[in-house]
Amino acid sequence: GAVVSQHPSRVICKSGTSVKIECRSLDFQATTMFWYRQFPKQSLMLMATSNEGSKATYEQGVEKDKFLINHASLTLSTLTVTSAHPEDSSFYICSASSGLAGGYNEQFFGPGTRLTVL
Amino acid sequence: GENVEQHPSTLSVQEGDSAVIKCTYSDSASNYFPWYKQELGKGPQLIIDIRSNVGEKKDQRIAVTLNKTAKHFSLHITETQPEDSAVYFCAASIGGNTPLVFGKGTRLSVIA
Repeated sequence: GAVVSQHPSRVICKSGTSVKIECRSLDFQATTMFWYRQFPKQSLMLMATSNEGSKATYEQGVEKDKFLINHASLTLSTLTVTSAHPEDSSFYICSASSGLAGGYNEQFFGPGTRLTVL
Repeated sequence: GENVEQHPSTLSVQEGDSAVIKCTYSDSASNYFPWYKQELGKGPQLIIDIRSNVGEKKDQRIAVTLNKTAKHFSLHITETQPEDSAVYFCAASIGGNTPLVFGKGTRLSVIA
C-alpha cells in the first residue's frame, strides 16, 4: 500500500514552454500533497503544500505564478512549471499524506520527475 | 521553526558491519521522525519511522532510537549489504499536515 506515482518520469522542453507534472496517490486518498525540488547531491527543498480543494501554500522564495499547483481531487495534484527556463531544470518530487495516521505526518513519495529545460 | 541536523554527511562501511546515522532536532513539539532511503534518480522511500511516544523501533536489520530529552534520533543498520548503499535522510514533523523538515542527508557506501 501507500503508492504514489508521478508522470512523466523525465521531460525535456525548450525554454519558454510550460510543463505539467502529475502526482497521484494510487491506493489511498491524499488530503495533503507536498511538492519538492532537489538539486544534485542536495536535500529536498519544499516548494509548496497543497490541500485538496484549497489554494496551495508556497514556501518563501517560490514564485506561485511560475509554479502552479492544483489539487483538484483526493488522488491527484499537478505542478505546472510555466515559461520554463534552464535554471528550472531539477528533480521534482511529490509526496502525499492521508492525514489518517493519528496526527502523525506520514508522507509517501513519488518516484520523481527529471525536468531538463534547454 | 524546526531545524534538523544530520551526521555524518558520508559514511563508508565494510559489508557486514553496522552503520549509524544521527540526527538532532530543535523543536520539542516534533512528534514524528521518519527515515528515508533515496537511490540515484529515484524518489525517497520510507524505510522506518518513530513516533514521540516510543523510544525504539526495529524492523529486521534496521532500527531507530529516539531520545526526546536530548532531541536526537538515530538510524542503525546492522549486517550491511551492498544494496544498502544510498543516501539516507532523516526528517522531523510537529504533526498534522505540517511539512517534514529534512536533514541534509548521509551518503552510505557499503564496500563488498
